[in-house]
Amino acid sequence: DSGVTQTPKHLITATGQRVTLRCSPRSGDLSVYWYQQSLDQGLQFLIQYYNGEERAKGNILERFSAQQFPDLHSELNLSSLELGDSALYFCASSRGGSNEQFFGPGTRLTVL
Amino acid sequence: AQKITQTQPGMFVQEKEAVTLDCTYDTSDPSYGLFWYKQPSSGEMIFLIYQGSYDQQNATEGHYSLNFQKARKSANLVISASQLGDSAMYFCAMRAAYSGAGSYQLTFGKGTKLSVIP
Repeated sequence: DSGVTQTPKHLITATGQRVTLRCSPRSGDLSVYWYQQSLDQGLQFLIQYYNGEERAKGNILERFSAQQFPDLHSELNLSSLELGDSALYFCASSRGGSNEQFFGPGTRLTVL
Repeated sequence: AQKITQTQPGMFVQEKEAVTLDCTYDTSDPSYGLFWYKQPSSGEMIFLIYQGSYDQQNATEGHYSLNFQKARKSANLVISASQLGDSAMYFCAMRAAYSGAGSYQLTFGKGTKLSVIP
């Protein structure tokens, strides 16, 4: 158990819908990273927050957005969902300046 | 831009034998970090080992070791005495250079699927 929690574990929805994925980092970790794992794109970095502020953006679509709240949990919002958004979404956390990122169990999103 | 290449889509190894999973990287940054993660069929990503670009010695963690050859830009994972529980996908990753904004996002390779045969 990495100490990072993600909910829900599985999510099935329809095209055009909007969903919210939630992540709670390890106790004391200020950085939260979101990654997407799909069959065709592999593992890709989406976005990072540090202590409530956005720090870096990767290959994140405009239909996707995220935020980190004062209690340090983070949410990834996916809207106008398409079939191609079906993927495993990971959240990872780390301490400031730490080398290691610890991953949550992931949320498997299926868009029908 | 940083790039990680894992050229072995799948590998088989006999239980108790050693196996090397290849990883080459490309970066122009003088400072970087290299990671290996394990992803079992259950899906979670498990951190295995880390090597910093300035580390003089190869990293080791349990029966995992990282064969770091800086001049060749390779960071191969060596698993000694393979166990059935080692069957999984293995991903090599590189930490982006420090951007000044505290960002350490990882760039991943495509992965190698390791199957340990009894």
